[in-house]
Amino acid sequence: RKEVEQDPGPFNVPEGATVAFNCTYSNSASQSFFWYRQDCRKEPKLLMSVYSSGNEDGRFTAQLNRASQYISLLIRDSKLSDSATYLCVVTDWGSSNTGKLIFGQGTTLQVKP
Amino acid sequence: GAGVSQTPSNKVTEKGKYVELRCDPISGHTALYWYRQSLGQGPEFLIYFQGTGAADDSGLPNDRFFAVRPEGSVSTLKIQRTERGDSAVYLCASSYRPDNEQFFGPGTRLTVL
Repeated sequence: RKEVEQDPGPFNVPEGATVAFNCTYSNSASQSFFWYRQDCRKEPKLLMSVYSSGNEDGRFTAQLNRASQYISLLIRDSKLSDSATYLCVVTDWGSSNTGKLIFGQGTTLQVKP
Repeated sequence: GAGVSQTPSNKVTEKGKYVELRCDPISGHTALYWYRQSLGQGPEFLIYFQGTGAADDSGLPNDRFFAVRPEGSVSTLKIQRTERGDSAVYLCASSYRPDNEQFFGPGTRLTVL
């Protein structure tokens, strides 16, 4: 079983739609959680961190449920420019505090006009 | 300021050959990471440097892979006796400290024929 699991999609939605992505992680000791965005043939870039209290950045809302080991990302009023792959990421601190990132497979979003 | 740079951007080699991939992190970033991303997958951790030392090399797949960071800045990932299965995008990331945001370079696309 992968440490971080996501539905790869693709999710095809019209402009203006609301879309939600979910992921689950297996290591209950994971301490930090993120969503990264990756455009085609580009490097991943941090979209937002995820906290238990939930956090919002404009049209994007992220939520963490530690008890269920579940992370979500909600995108409201989708734009064409939101088309990308969204990677669910946890930090595995382990015993050496490396901060290495553990990535899910990624969920592909395609927003159509 | 300058971001993380990686050279070459593309490398095509033949099975059995030796390759070196270079990463130039953001100036002042002490933490440096190498990841590998296969088609349709999220990046996978390979190795982490704190300064000059490899603090965590648990992600290196076998002893054909080796990385150095002799002066605590530029890092080189070295792959001996390349195999077709090594074909992937090799991403480098750096951060000011392990618990800070990681910034990724554009990657080196390695193709082993």
